[in-house]
Amino acid sequence: DGGITQSPKYLFRKEGQNVTLSCEQNLNHDAMYWYRQDPGQGLRLIYYSQIVNDFQKGDIAEGYSVSREKKESFPLTVTSAQKNPTAFYLCASSRGTNEQYFGPGTRLTVT
Amino acid sequence: GESVGLHLPTLSVQEGDNSIINCAYSNSASDYFIWYKQESGKGPQFIIDIRSNMDKRQGQRVTVLLNKTVKHLSLQIAATQPGDSAVYFCAENKNQGGKLIFGQGTELSVKP
Repeated sequence: DGGITQSPKYLFRKEGQNVTLSCEQNLNHDAMYWYRQDPGQGLRLIYYSQIVNDFQKGDIAEGYSVSREKKESFPLTVTSAQKNPTAFYLCASSRGTNEQYFGPGTRLTVT
Repeated sequence: GESVGLHLPTLSVQEGDNSIINCAYSNSASDYFIWYKQESGKGPQFIIDIRSNMDKRQGQRVTVLLNKTVKHLSLQIAATQPGDSAVYFCAENKNQGGKLIFGQGTELSVKP
């Protein structure tokens, strides 16, 4: 099956800890994206990568970091510097400027 | 600032009726628009898209209309079914690579 996978589905962390969210795609898409979604709200772009070994900040990159060492993988690290990390995190990929395909999301809770 | 917004946060329709979800965008340079459906706790699913050189595009039970004069986008769902209940997002691509700007979403509730 082709698609985007995110793991885990639910993640719990203590405040002050860094946590890395996984995103893998086997669609052979060049571009990958990370979004954050808060309850009752739209998606806000954290980081995106249009090609391997290159990525750009989105609208709310502070407190987050990413890497793009492989075309298939785009992990997101939520650092302790992120003031309000509890949210639903969505990863997406696309071929060029066409539609983005989304993964199932990871719900992160930090207490 | 530039944004994609929705006129109504919630929409309730009777099963079998047609639904119309509206979206306003502010950037006249946007050249690509897309509608997503998001069910609770899941990632958004692609519904339909349209490029700025078109006014209308039809899919299965869905139609997207683009009015560039007033910068308005709408999604029409024919014969709405309970399975259509979800939050619907519009998004625009401001010709900046693959970056999409998402609206706040409209929650569609279908009454049996």
